[in-house]
Amino acid sequence: SQQGEEDPQALSIQEGENATMNCSYKTSINNLQWYRQNSGRGLVHLILIRSNEREKHSGRLRVTLDTSKKSSSLLITASRAADTASYFCATDGDTGFQKLVFGTGTRLLVSP
Amino acid sequence: DTEVTQTPKHLVMGMTNKKSLKCEQHMGHRAMYWYKQKAKKPPELMFVYSYEKLSINESVPSRFSPECPNSSLLNLHLHALQPEDSALYLCASSFGQGEGYEQFFGPGTRLTVL
Repeated sequence: SQQGEEDPQALSIQEGENATMNCSYKTSINNLQWYRQNSGRGLVHLILIRSNEREKHSGRLRVTLDTSKKSSSLLITASRAADTASYFCATDGDTGFQKLVFGTGTRLLVSP
Repeated sequence: DTEVTQTPKHLVMGMTNKKSLKCEQHMGHRAMYWYKQKAKKPPELMFVYSYEKLSINESVPSRFSPECPNSSLLNLHLHALQPEDSALYLCASSFGQGEGYEQFFGPGTRLTVL
């Protein structure tokens, strides 16, 4: 079952600009996670936000969560070419919180 | 050591071959996962082991056979695969099982079935 739908599917920006990706999900959650995947490689955990949190920061990353709208956003500020990757949100996907189900992902391209 | 290692990096096999993928972690994690990822798609969960016992099998065909010999090792045995099984196979581990735990991923094995 797929829980998260992300938009945009692809995003192309210049270095120094901000990038915003959105994730919508279908059912109630305990936590929502964001991961990054460089081309053809393993995923790297970025941040976990709990359902009772509205906003969380980690370096240049800002994640928001709106449980009433069942949506989350990931903002990368002052982007760099090294931020070029696919970004996935992940929730339990209405599986009783026993596993992660990844969203469709946003492919981010940051040009120098 | 905060790394999950996977071998081999690349694997090409025929439909009649038997091969195995290997995954290792030394972080003391008690949950380990196999995911399959097709190009431009999200990872899809195949199996979860928790405390060395199979916890979740996502209705994966029997030509894929997981094994967890000990808390640090996870294998995926492959037999009589189909060309559509070609994909990136990712291993991951976490301190506990479930959506509340950060997962650490290996770099993956790129599998091609001829």
